[in-house]
Amino acid sequence: DIQLTQSPSFLSASVGDRVTITCRASQGIRSYLAWYQQKPGKAPNLLIYAASTLQSGVPSRFSGSGSGTEFTLTISSLQPEDFATYYCQPLNSYPITFGQGTRLEIK
Amino acid sequence: QVQLVQSGAEVKKPGASVKVSCKTSGYTFTSHGINWVRQAPGQRLEWMGWFNPANVNTRYSQKFQGRVTFTGDTFAGTVYMELSSLLSEDTAVYYCARSTFFYDGGTWYPTSFDPWGQGTLVTVSS
Repeated sequence: DIQLTQSPSFLSASVGDRVTITCRASQGIRSYLAWYQQKPGKAPNLLIYAASTLQSGVPSRFSGSGSGTEFTLTISSLQPEDFATYYCQPLNSYPITFGQGTRLEIK
Repeated sequence: QVQLVQSGAEVKKPGASVKVSCKTSGYTFTSHGINWVRQAPGQRLEWMGWFNPANVNTRYSQKFQGRVTFTGDTFAGTVYMELSSLLSEDTAVYYCARSTFFYDGGTWYPTSFDPWGQGTLVTVSS
């Protein structure tokens, strides 16, 4: 099984800040990685697929990069609606897994 | 627009079974697969498997193999997830999520999941 290390687990930031979340995989997954945002009591929402492709309708302040074993999700200028939990998900290995999540809170 | 609408909350006793439905609309039912993902309180997302309506193929996570069954009704555009021999640890919100498939290294995998159903809370308690 692929082991995922998502960091940090918790992040406190202010509106307007630039934040980066990292996802490391225990083996190479090329660019088969997705990022999701989940707000309390809601289903996850796809932000990024294929490591760096922005899902339609997602604001351009979100971006993804990386390949192989190290990936990042960057929010260029935090907005109030961005405070949520973020998960990475590699897709070319079974079982399909998710990172442990990064909870982003308002400072 | 594409929508996945799940059935309502369930309360079950240990040892019982639960069946959750995921009704699709806004696209051709057989053109995409449906994945099932659960989330126990305060925990990360956990993938359970997928169902491909085009050929009725399934893939289950080993963790749930033998205890979970996915089925589909093409006329109703609905996929079902049945989990048996319930334990208290199965208390979770269960989600369905749409994907397509890609072929890599001799195996079919689901693509990223979009959209998701609203979730169904299953509570297992005596």
